[in-house]
Amino acid sequence: KQEVTQIPAALSVPEGENLVLNCSFTDSAIYNLQWFRQDPGKGLTSLLLIQSSQREQTSGRLNASLDKSSGRSTLYIAASQPGDSATYLCAVRRVENYGQNFVFGPGTRLSVLP
Amino acid sequence: EPEVTQTPSHQVTQMGQEVILRCVPISNHLYFYWYRQILGQKVEFLVSFYNNEISEKSEIFDDQFSVERPDGSNFTLKIRSTKLEDSAMYFCASSNSYSPLHFGNGTRLTVT
Repeated sequence: KQEVTQIPAALSVPEGENLVLNCSFTDSAIYNLQWFRQDPGKGLTSLLLIQSSQREQTSGRLNASLDKSSGRSTLYIAASQPGDSATYLCAVRRVENYGQNFVFGPGTRLSVLP
Repeated sequence: EPEVTQTPSHQVTQMGQEVILRCVPISNHLYFYWYRQILGQKVEFLVSFYNNEISEKSEIFDDQFSVERPDGSNFTLKIRSTKLEDSAMYFCASSNSYSPLHFGNGTRLTVT
């Protein structure tokens, strides 16, 4: 059964710092991995999608990497801003059943202090 | 950019009542999903829907839950007889094969 974990559970950094969020999954048989942002009481906003054949994806100040064989992904945020404060979730798309189901991690709650 | 829309944003109901949560997925998407998130907990998969039928469901999705695509645009989740533990945010999502999953803003269901 696929399990997804994220560390740290919470992170507080001063504005301007670069930071790394970690995601681990137990079964390397995935189609892709997606990073999301969730603001309190809101839905999930897609940030980056990495296909299983890719090593990394970049969007603006965000860079996500994937090491499928070791079951790890990282989300790198450069020059953090207070507006980056949110919970960041990773989700893996399972291979079983033609990849119909995403399994989510518990998230990392990020606070960027001005 | 196209969005997944959900209504209502907040629903309060009494235990034992039926509720229907509504979603309009992105128009050219083929896969539809319901997820839920109990306050402070993980996002949990409920059900996926493709080609007018359920393609996968979790243990949470028992006989009190059902989904329907009544027309070409709407996708609904019905809970037949709500329980206190059904209180959660319910998210609808849609995607195409191996494309990013797009979520709606959710419906907060409160069962009293």
